[in-house]
Parts: sequence; C-alpha cells; structure tokens
Amino acid sequence: AQSVTQLGSHVSVSEGALVLLRCNYSSSVPPYLFWYVQYPNQGLQLLLKYTSAATLVKGINGFEAEFKKSETSFHLTKPSAHMSDAAEYFCAVTATGSARQLTFGSGTQLTVLP
Amino acid sequence: EAQVTQNPRYLITVTGKKLTVTCSQNMNHEYMSWYRQDPGLGLRQIYYSMNVEVTDKGDVPEGYKVSRKEKRNFPLILESPSPNQTSLYFCASSSQGGSNYGYTFGSGTRLTVV
Repeated sequence: AQSVTQLGSHVSVSEGALVLLRCNYSSSVPPYLFWYVQYPNQGLQLLLKYTSAATLVKGINGFEAEFKKSETSFHLTKPSAHMSDAAEYFCAVTATGSARQLTFGSGTQLTVLP
Repeated sequence: EAQVTQNPRYLITVTGKKLTVTCSQNMNHEYMSWYRQDPGLGLRQIYYSMNVEVTDKGDVPEGYKVSRKEKRNFPLILESPSPNQTSLYFCASSSQGGSNYGYTFGSGTRLTVV
C-alpha cells in the first residue's frame, strides 16, 4: 500500500520569498515520486519526478525537490516565488514499475502575495 | 501536439440518465486512467487500463464502467448517475516502459448531477 500526505492545504508566500510545499509518503517498496501543478480550469501538468536516480530533482519553472528516504519526504521548493506560481500543487507516489497505481495527496493551494 | 482529449468539458445531467465521457490520446500510450477530483480529497483513481481489453478497478470504481476497445480511447460510463458523482473528472495516459511514469492529463470534465 502507498499513500501521500501533504502538510498544509493552503500556503501563502510573498513574491520573491522561498516556496516550500511539504510532502511525506508511505510505500512498502521503493517509490517513484512526482509533483504536479494545476492552474485554474486546467488539467495537471508534471513539474518533476524522482525515479531513483539523483535525490535532488530539478523541474520546470525553477522548482526542485529532494528525496529523503530517512524522512520519507519529497518536499517541493523554489527559491523565489513569482505571481505566476499561484496554483494548486499535488504530490503523487507510485510503486516502482507500476504506472497504474498513481496515488495523489490532497493538494496544496499556493497563494503568492504582491 | 501530444495530448489527452476529453469531452465534454462541462456536463449537467439528471439522476439516472446514462452518460459517457470520452477520452482519447494520440501518444500511443499503453496505460490510461480515470480520476475524480473532489475538494480536500485530491485525485482518486476510478479505473485504469494497461492495454487494449485490459482494465482494472482503482480506489473508487462504484457506479462507473470503462472499456478499452482501441488503444487510443478510454471512455468513462455512468450507467445511472447520482448526485454524489458530481465531481471534476480527469483522464490520463502514460507509456509503459522506461523511467517515465508521469501521466499526461486531459483538461478535465466538470460533471454536475442534479
């Protein structure tokens, strides 16, 4: 069984400030981990993914995430928030080699304040 | 352009009236999946398909049917919709092999059952 917990359903940051969105996972086998972003009235877009290569993963739009096995975490960060980053972000996990069983967290709504 | 196309984008229907939401992908992906998105719950998998004529239940399959007669199409069928199926639905597809287990999502179908 696998699950994802996203801490904080709403996060607000000022423009130019650090963005930190938290994700903890549970998986009985080595996981693949993903971050997706959803802009209003749109589908989900893949931001980045961890597939057992480098533990620090860089994605699109300046986002990155670090896989920490000891903490079972995969937090998403961006050094400097931009207004266009305002969206909902989802962390997801799947067991290695099992694309069908992609399990999502409940999402974090990011607000960027001017 | 590589994409997953869902139709319709918006649908209002009455309880008990059968409906079908279509999904088509042009990437020759083996895996396809249906999710529903509800506030505070993230995305929950309804059904998935690993290839033509191969489907299986996800986490919330009750009240839904699917079929996979062609590789590109994966329609979602609600035989007798009920108000608790009011939700935002997403179709997604993914390739089977390699390290790319990210899903490509459609733009969503917002269904209201009255």
